[in-house]
Amino acid sequence: QKEVEQDPGPLSVPEGAIVSLNCTYSNSAFQYFMWYRQYSRKGPELLMYTYSSGNKEDGRFTAQVDKSSKYISLFIRDSQPSDSATYLCAMSRNQGGKLIFGQGTELSVKP
Amino acid sequence: GAVVSQHPSWVICKSGTSVKIECRSLDFQATTMFWYRQFPKQSLMLMATSNEGSKATYEQGVEKDKFLINHASLTLSTLTVTSAHPEDSSFYICSATPGGLASNEQFFGPGTRLTVL
Repeated sequence: QKEVEQDPGPLSVPEGAIVSLNCTYSNSAFQYFMWYRQYSRKGPELLMYTYSSGNKEDGRFTAQVDKSSKYISLFIRDSQPSDSATYLCAMSRNQGGKLIFGQGTELSVKP
Repeated sequence: GAVVSQHPSWVICKSGTSVKIECRSLDFQATTMFWYRQFPKQSLMLMATSNEGSKATYEQGVEKDKFLINHASLTLSTLTVTSAHPEDSSFYICSATPGGLASNEQFFGPGTRLTVL
């Protein structure tokens, strides 16, 4: 069993839709949770960073962490074609520690 | 924001040759740099962690004699793929963590696509 599971998609939605991306994990020691966006043939860029359980909002993006269920989510409101990319969840046990990535979900937002 | 560059962005080489990939932090000092490999439609897999001035720590299953990592300064780390073979063809990405910040953030380079013929 992988430490971090993420549905690879692909996921296709119309412009303006709300997108929900999810990851589950097995290691209860993870405390830091991140979402990265990766465009084709580019390096990942950090979208959201959260510590422990709770919600965090930044513009159209909301990250949720439920440590009791070992489940994290990223919501994208009013999705745009420019949001089309692969979204990777990542997590670690401690600050500055090794990141464990999910497989990535390929998202396509159609105009 | 913090910027990490990689050079070259893509390289094609013959089987048996060695290839060096550079990773530079352009506007900050990186005490720690990470090297990842990513196969098509798959996630990033950590290969090794390198700290400036010390030997790299390799992940299980990664051959340290094949993937040589040097972190000679606070702004430069290099990955050398020695005696490359077609199965080494992949997307190699580095990341860097600024020293002294209470943050888990890693800043990623744009990646280097290696094709071994």
